[in-house]
Amino acid sequence: AQKVTQAQTEISVVEKEDVTLDCVYETRDTTYYLFWYKQPPSGELVFLIRRNSFDEQNEISGRYSWNFQKSTSSFNFTITASQVVDSAVYFCALSEEFAGGTSYGKLTFGQGTILTVHP
Amino acid sequence: DVKVTQSSRYLVKRTGEKVFLECVQDMDHENMFWYRQDPGLGLRLIYFSYDVKMKEKGDIPEGYSVSREKKERFSLILESASTNQTSMYLCASSLSLAGGPLGDTQYFGPGTRLTVL
Repeated sequence: AQKVTQAQTEISVVEKEDVTLDCVYETRDTTYYLFWYKQPPSGELVFLIRRNSFDEQNEISGRYSWNFQKSTSSFNFTITASQVVDSAVYFCALSEEFAGGTSYGKLTFGQGTILTVHP
Repeated sequence: DVKVTQSSRYLVKRTGEKVFLECVQDMDHENMFWYRQDPGLGLRLIYFSYDVKMKEKGDIPEGYSVSREKKERFSLILESASTNQTSMYLCASSLSLAGGPLGDTQYFGPGTRLTVL
């Protein structure tokens, strides 16, 4: 069975600090996909990134960066120079292998990390 | 931009009532999903549909049913609402597995916060 663990329930930082959100996953699949979503107070989950299991290259998008390490089954998310608008719940998720096209991309979510950035 | 809309942001119902939650997407996506979100539990999949009139149970289907009569619309039905179904309900859609690099990416609606009294 697949599992995603976000060990940090809540993180509180002051603006301009860097913050890393941890994500550890478990799967028996060799092909899988990892996602990060942001859920601001408005409630809608916003897609941030998708990474496939064969691409371990780190990615940077503005103040956001992601570190994928297959050896430790981790897909961590770092926000550099955090801002108040980064305050949200962040979810890491894992999709099932597309075995014969029957999985339909079902996602397994972590419990979420509540990030609060204080001015 | 992908647009997923849900019929209500907030809903209050009484125990035993039949409840309909509606979700509509405007991007011709094949797959649609219903989740519930509870504190400390993340999102849990209730049902999903990969085609019109097709449905599959997710991880927690008990007490729920779904309907997909048209491609763009996916309804979640609580046949007899109970207090333990008080939760945030999120609908999502994805293009298809054959939809290129992001074909499986799910896009979410704003959510419906349901309270059952």
